[in-house]
Amino acid sequence: QSALTQPASVSGSPGQSITISCTGTSSDVGGYNYVSWYQQHPGKAPKLMIYDVSDRPSGVSNRFSGSKSGNTASLTISGLQAEDEADYYCSSYTSSSTVFGTGTQVTVL
Amino acid sequence: EVQLVESGGGLVQPGGSLRLSCAASRFTFSSYAMSWVRQAPGKGLEWVSGISASGGTTYYADSVKGRFTISRDNSKNTLYLQMNSLRAEDTALYYCAKGTGTAARKPSDSWGQGTLVTVSS
Repeated sequence: QSALTQPASVSGSPGQSITISCTGTSSDVGGYNYVSWYQQHPGKAPKLMIYDVSDRPSGVSNRFSGSKSGNTASLTISGLQAEDEADYYCSSYTSSSTVFGTGTQVTVL
Repeated sequence: EVQLVESGGGLVQPGGSLRLSCAASRFTFSSYAMSWVRQAPGKGLEWVSGISASGGTTYYADSVKGRFTISRDNSKNTLYLQMNSLRAEDTALYYCAKGTGTAARKPSDSWGQGTLVTVSS
């Protein structure tokens, strides 16, 4: 159960779009359409942003979108805003558990 | 709004045991899967365990399998995590989280504020 691989940091200017990748294997990301993304601000509990690869929970801005190709899932944040500065984690089913990604710190320049 | 309140954390010696509890309210507890997720100080999220809405199906991370046991009491709206043979690497903030459906590994759409477990001599 190795953690999924995410870039340590991604940055962008307000209004820009950024994409965070989440790379796994055919035993997790590539094998199931059950990838989720969470946002975590410092000192706060995580918040579900995307589930089942590309679905958004009610109340989550449509600036957040998810996709998957092969063993890599992606989270795109469009129209980047200051409030989007946070840590982001992907997660995926595996055959017998769930695994999180290594986490990506998003900085709004 | 969903409310999840964890308790039971604290300082324990290596090899010791702790039982975490998560009191749930403001939703129909028996209709949703629940999970425990932990976060070591300054580190990322680690999924620990999940349980189906009925309690009949459970899953564990390899790192805790055989040492931790997840359970729930739907009559008391409470989730538990029994942690035995604790190790220094189990030191973390433990979050209780509500799933989006009944299956044990559903994504978590509501989270508590966590309870801190410190394993040290």
